[in-house]
Amino acid sequence: ILNVEQSPQSLHVQEGDSTNFTCSFPSSNFYALHWYRWETAKSPEALFVMTLNGDEKKKGRISATLNTKEGYSYLYIKGSQPEDSATYLCALNTGGFKTIFGAGTRLFVKA
Amino acid sequence: DAGVTQSPTHLIKTRGQQVTLRCSPKSGHDTVSWYQQALGQGPQFIFQYYEEEERQRGNFPDRFSGHQFPNYSSELNVNALLLGDSALYLCASSVLLELSTDTQYFGPGTRLTVL
Repeated sequence: ILNVEQSPQSLHVQEGDSTNFTCSFPSSNFYALHWYRWETAKSPEALFVMTLNGDEKKKGRISATLNTKEGYSYLYIKGSQPEDSATYLCALNTGGFKTIFGAGTRLFVKA
Repeated sequence: DAGVTQSPTHLIKTRGQQVTLRCSPKSGHDTVSWYQQALGQGPQFIFQYYEEEERQRGNFPDRFSGHQFPNYSSELNVNALLLGDSALYLCASSVLLELSTDTQYFGPGTRLTVL
């Protein structure tokens, strides 16, 4: 069974801090990796999709990298803002129609 | 454009009862997937529907069943409820999730509590 691990489980930072968290998985045993942001009382929202060629993605202050050889992806947030407070989910598509999620990293940004 | 909608928002049932949860996909989407998120865990894949048929299923017992209607909306049914079925149930829609890079759009979920 493919296991997707996310760390840390939760993270408290001050406004303006830059932060990053990790998604780990058995290397190369997937077709695409997705990052989602999930704000409280809202729906999970897609941030990035990354493929095996190890590209880096960026959207505003948020970026993600993928290392397929060693089996991890990092999500970076530069200059965290209170509105970045959310749970960040990592999910692997292993082929077919099945997506396997990690448990998420819960980010709290204090003003 | 309405996104993915789910109903009800939350409900409370007792052990042994049956429950039906509903999902309307985003406009233009024809594929619906259901996930269960228990406390402290990530969403777990239950099954996916396309063209009114179950296309793939996760590791869930037969007590979990579903249906997709011609308008692409979907229902998740759970029979003989157990305390462990208490969770947030998420519905996600997409356009024929053929490619691993295809994005799913999620609804806000239905919170089920089994007493």
